[in-house]
Amino acid sequence: DQQVKQNSPSLSVQEGRISILNCDYTNSMFDYFLWYKKYPAEGPTFLISISSIKDKNEDGRFTVFLNKSAKHLSLHIVPSQPGDSAVYFCAASAQTGANNLFFGTGTRLTVIP
Amino acid sequence: ETGVTQTPRHLVMGMTNKKSLKCEQHLGHNAMYWYKQSAKKPLELMFVYNFKEQTENNSVPSRFSPECPNSSHLFLHLHTLQPEDSALYLCASSQDPVQETQYFGPGTRLLVL
Repeated sequence: DQQVKQNSPSLSVQEGRISILNCDYTNSMFDYFLWYKKYPAEGPTFLISISSIKDKNEDGRFTVFLNKSAKHLSLHIVPSQPGDSAVYFCAASAQTGANNLFFGTGTRLTVIP
Repeated sequence: ETGVTQTPRHLVMGMTNKKSLKCEQHLGHNAMYWYKQSAKKPLELMFVYNFKEQTENNSVPSRFSPECPNSSHLFLHLHTLQPEDSALYLCASSQDPVQETQYFGPGTRLLVL
């Protein structure tokens, strides 16, 4: 059973608007969360992370929000740019898990110029 | 070369062949990983090596045999694979295997005929 879920396989957003990508998890032991971005024919690239002691982490246009009670995290990209078009993966790990990252299936973001 | 490199990028093999995938990281990291990504499925962790020692084997069939001669190199030896083993195989590395961000290579796209 998947422990990390990204229920939206795709998302289209107009350039300049906000993109919101969502991720849900089931394992309450997860305490470290990451977002990766993947372009075709490349490996996933680390984007931003958040520890469970925080509920928000911001890096430039990218902000990750964590709602522990809902076991939900989201990635906000604002403003969205055409170069942000990629597949975004959410991942989670537990401190006891020897850095075993559990990934979602990804959301394909298309930013329309 | 920088980052994490993988060779070959594409591989087609028959079920009776023996082949090897190679991964090299130029980041000075101590932990390396093999992941498998099948179509429509999340990335699945296969093996973890920490300081050249295997610390995790996620119930991977014995037809996949990892080798880590040093902290910079990781191999995945393949033999008598099945068509369902066709997938994208990704290598990653991190500074240490405890909740560190993992950095991925571009992957090897494997097709088993």
